[in-house]
Amino acid sequence: EAGVTQFPSHSVIEKGQTVTLRCDPISGHDNLYWYRRVMGKEIKFLLHFVKESKQDESGMPNNRFLAERTGGTYSTLKVQPAELEDSGVYFCASSQSGQGRYNSPLHFGNGTRLTVT
Amino acid sequence: GESVGLHLPTLSVQEGDNSIINCAYSNSASDYFIWYKQESGKGPQFIIDIRSNMDKRQGQRVTVLLNKTVKHLSLQIAATQPGDSAVYFCADTLLMNSGGYQKVTFGTGTKLQVIP
Repeated sequence: EAGVTQFPSHSVIEKGQTVTLRCDPISGHDNLYWYRRVMGKEIKFLLHFVKESKQDESGMPNNRFLAERTGGTYSTLKVQPAELEDSGVYFCASSQSGQGRYNSPLHFGNGTRLTVT
Repeated sequence: GESVGLHLPTLSVQEGDNSIINCAYSNSASDYFIWYKQESGKGPQFIIDIRSNMDKRQGQRVTVLLNKTVKHLSLQIAATQPGDSAVYFCADTLLMNSGGYQKVTFGTGTKLQVIP
């Protein structure tokens, strides 16, 4: 079974430019999450899709960030225009649907390291 | 978890010794807890989980202890090896919408350094 894949692995852009990150979850996983880790700090939640619908986007920092998951398969996270404080590692994770009271762990990709200069 | 600024808590242990990594969570309603290991250049990897109706669970060389009274989680690694060097995160999960989805919150992370 292929794991969660993210592209690109690294991106260096200038302030004001646009970057689009892509995540392909594990096949069959309805839940898709975006997280980010800014240097030295905890992993912060950005948003959560269930299939193609945004279940929770309370962690999105501002309207410069736009996430989509058309068709409920892969997802993209666009940052436009990028600012210096957007630098960090962006992780995508997926999980199976909840089964009543039983949760399942998140499976993470290797992340995209974004550097805004 | 609370941010500790730019520096992660670090635990240094001698190879072969046991390691104990601690974590505090804030939501008393959380009902599922996971420990993740993150190595450089990789995403967090699942180590072990525990549900709120348990207080201890053992895996291979790892044990997770849950104290719901004080909202504390710990990860014990037996006979620590150089390959265990990584950042360890705890995560607590709150089941939302009658099991429709889970809200996962991560702790700050602890860096484990194994001294050969």
